[in-house]
Amino acid sequence: DVQMTQSPSSLSASVGDRVTITCRASQSISTYLNWYQQKAGKAPKLLINAASTLQSGAPSRFSGSGSGTYFTLTISSLQPEDFATYYCQETYNIPYTFGQGTRLEI
Amino acid sequence: EVQLVESGGGLVQPGRSLRLSCAASGFTFSSSWMSWVRQAPGKGLEWVADIKGDGSEKYYVDSLKGRFTISRDNAKNSLYLQMNSLRVEDTAVYYCARDLGGSGDFGSASWGQGVRVTVSS
Repeated sequence: DVQMTQSPSSLSASVGDRVTITCRASQSISTYLNWYQQKAGKAPKLLINAASTLQSGAPSRFSGSGSGTYFTLTISSLQPEDFATYYCQETYNIPYTFGQGTRLEI
Repeated sequence: EVQLVESGGGLVQPGRSLRLSCAASGFTFSSSWMSWVRQAPGKGLEWVADIKGDGSEKYYVDSLKGRFTISRDNAKNSLYLQMNSLRVEDTAVYYCARDLGGSGDFGSASWGQGVRVTVSS
């Protein structure tokens, strides 16, 4: 199985900050990498797929990059509604493993 | 509007079985790969299984193979997860999700609200 490692596990930031979350795969997964946002008690929401494709309805302050084994999710200017937990997921090999999550706190 | 509504969860004793259902609407269900993803209390997300639109292909996480079975009824626009020999560690919120493209490919774009399964004596 591909192991996905996110860092940091938690992050404190302020409104207006630029933040970057990283996700590393234990083997190359090309660009089969998705990012989800999950708020407490809610289902995950797909933000970015194929490493860098922003989903319809996702704010443009979110961006993704990377390929192979190293990926990043960047929020250019944090807004109050962005405080949530973020997960990466590889969809290159079954099982489609998620990272352990990054909790973004105020 | 895409809607996914899970049902069938609850409290069950270890060793018993449970079948989860997911009612889908707002899209062409029979053409869509569908997945189950679970989340144990206070933990991260775990991909469980997915199934092709016509039901001809199914994939599972190894740790659940043989105990969990994914299926679908396209005439009823419904997805199912049969869970047998349940263990305490199967306690989680179970989500059904609609995948973009083929198996995996581009992630799960639509999710249900989740259904809670508690395995306890």
